[in-house]
Amino acid sequence: DTGVSQDPRHKITKRGQNVTFRCDPISEHNRLYWYRQTLGQGPEFLTYFQNEAQLEKSRLLSDRFSAERPKGSFSTLEIQRTEQGDSAMYLCASSSRRTSGGTEQFFGPGTRLTVL
Amino acid sequence: RKEVEQDPGPFNVPEGATVAFNCTYSNSASQSFFWYRQDCRKEPKLLMSVYSSGNEDGRFTAQLNRASQYISLLIRDSKLSDSATYLCVVNPIQGAQKLVFGQGTRLTINP
Repeated sequence: DTGVSQDPRHKITKRGQNVTFRCDPISEHNRLYWYRQTLGQGPEFLTYFQNEAQLEKSRLLSDRFSAERPKGSFSTLEIQRTEQGDSAMYLCASSSRRTSGGTEQFFGPGTRLTVL
Repeated sequence: RKEVEQDPGPFNVPEGATVAFNCTYSNSASQSFFWYRQDCRKEPKLLMSVYSSGNEDGRFTAQLNRASQYISLLIRDSKLSDSATYLCVVNPIQGAQKLVFGQGTRLTINP
């Protein structure tokens, strides 16, 4: 399978703990995105990387959240001092300018986070 | 006001029916428009892009009205496999990469 992969698929943690999620984009895609989706809502944009550079960040991305893409390939999203309100599905997507002009974003299966 | 607004439904229609979804967006400078489909507990997948001239893909027709800031999706001869949540999506800023999603409209096709 050459699609976007995310790990872990599920994470249960206690309030106050730190968690880290990983995303592996489609191999030739240089653009990578993180979104958050809560039940009954559409995904909300968190941040965007082009290669290793983080070019856009949403105001939703508080200082407890940090994302990296050190070598322009996989990315990690870390949440420090988790709160119950962080419980959501965290979706990663990737795209390439050479694919549909970069307009289509391909999503991974998501990491479902539950904060107890 | 939300940037992209959709009727969340649910819509329950019989197989073979025609169903239409609408969506409005608030940013008149928005550049690109899409419909994504999301099956239960799955990731969103692009259904179709939406162009000013309107476009059709098999049983699916998408329309854009820039003056009214309104996007529509029409599904003809609905199939059981069309049951899903349909997300209206806008790229609001030229050169920016973020997508803004509506809440989604849940559709169930009944046999």
